[in-house]
Amino acid sequence: GAVVSQHPSWVICKSGTSVKIECRSLDFQATTMFWYRQFPKQSLMLMATSNEGSKATYEQGVEKDKFLINHASLTLSTLTVTSAHPEDSSFYICSAKPSGGEDTQYFGPGTRLTVL
Amino acid sequence: AQKITQTQPGMFVQEKEAVTLDCTYDTSDPSYGLFWYKQPSSGEMIFLIYQGSYDQQNATEGRYSLNFQKARKSANLVISASQLGDSAMYFCAMRDVVTDSWGKLQFGAGTQVVVTP
Repeated sequence: GAVVSQHPSWVICKSGTSVKIECRSLDFQATTMFWYRQFPKQSLMLMATSNEGSKATYEQGVEKDKFLINHASLTLSTLTVTSAHPEDSSFYICSAKPSGGEDTQYFGPGTRLTVL
Repeated sequence: AQKITQTQPGMFVQEKEAVTLDCTYDTSDPSYGLFWYKQPSSGEMIFLIYQGSYDQQNATEGRYSLNFQKARKSANLVISASQLGDSAMYFCAMRDVVTDSWGKLQFGAGTQVVVTP
């Protein structure tokens, strides 16, 4: 149980294009999902908290117009990197917190984005 | 301010030996949760163990145990009988229950563990 998927697992795109990453909780409902970014050899940095049916809450320093988050259902959140540039290249990981009150977050396998 | 501190950037451990990964935290919240995650080279974050601040006993999950010393604000992870597959990056994380209702996690810098035959 408690499986979270991400799609795509890796993506290469040209500078200036937009990329959408999906995060799905496969066997549980998640009112809250989180998006993290991880640079090589570094820890996870929280980008935003995504709540189903409401606007995402972004951490300080994260551009909400650049990283669009939509949490349209209890099992799906999407992150769209708009007008991607090489500095946006990173490992993006989502996590989902079960709606039943459990404290543990379950993570997706991550998406490696490379912007050329 | 850094709230989770992992002072060991990397460690070598011999197969079948036990290893302790250090984690200290800082919070004024009376209720909080502590987590350990494992991240192999493939990148996925694997949940290992959880300790609530009000839990009386140290958490254990198979070969993983959490040495929770509340007064010292430390939550060290102990891996017993190390296996080659334990080679990974290990992250300590904390959630403040009172100040954050959504369950945001703050992660430490991580400790790279390499298990040798």
